Amino acid sequence: GENVEQHPSTLSVQEGDSAVIKCTYSDSASNYFPWYKQELGKRPQLIIDIRSNVGEKKDQRIAVTLNKTAKHFSLHITETQPEDSAVYFCAAPVPGGSQGNLIFGKGTKLSVKP
Amino acid sequence: EAQVTQNPRYLITVTGKKLTVTCSQNMNHEYMSWYRQDPGLGLRQIYYSMNVEVTDKGDVPEGYKVSRKEKRNFPLILESPSPNQTSLYFCASSLEIPSRANVLTFGAGSRLTVL
Repeated sequence: GENVEQHPSTLSVQEGDSAVIKCTYSDSASNYFPWYKQELGKRPQLIIDIRSNVGEKKDQRIAVTLNKTAKHFSLHITETQPEDSAVYFCAAPVPGGSQGNLIFGKGTKLSVKP
Repeated sequence: EAQVTQNPRYLITVTGKKLTVTCSQNMNHEYMSWYRQDPGLGLRQIYYSMNVEVTDKGDVPEGYKVSRKEKRNFPLILESPSPNQTSLYFCASSLEIPSRANVLTFGAGSRLTVL
């Protein structure tokens, strides 16, 4: 089945620095890659996603890049702020057109130090 | 307000005592799913449903049951809970299957402890 590997599992940065989280997937036919953010004690919420027909997508301080050849995609957060502290999950489709499910990475706990 | 509602939010129970965690969405979503979240293991899918009366196993279905008799409700049933089912559970829904860029909306979570 599809495996989504997410690294690093924890990441600590100083406020204002950039943070990068990377995920790899195994199925070259995968075509949709979302990122979810889960603040402490809260539910996961979508923050950005990308489809396989583009290589990069930006939304203010966050961006996602996709390398289809290498089968990896990354979340980039610039000018980090304390409110960026959370667990971030990447996801990719499970292979097989009839299922339509996503498989999630194990998460990255980002800590932004003031 | 568009939302996914789970109940109970917190529950402590004992081994073998049947329990049900309810999940309801008011967005007319076709797809619903249950996940469990454990430290270091991320979000693992238990069961999912693509529409009314259609349910299927996810990655970790053992010890759980679900039903989808109505579009809005997707209860998770633990017939005989065991301590290894102690976890944080999330229900989620999306308009259609999430792999086609349909956003998953998560409930607030249900923290279950089985003694």
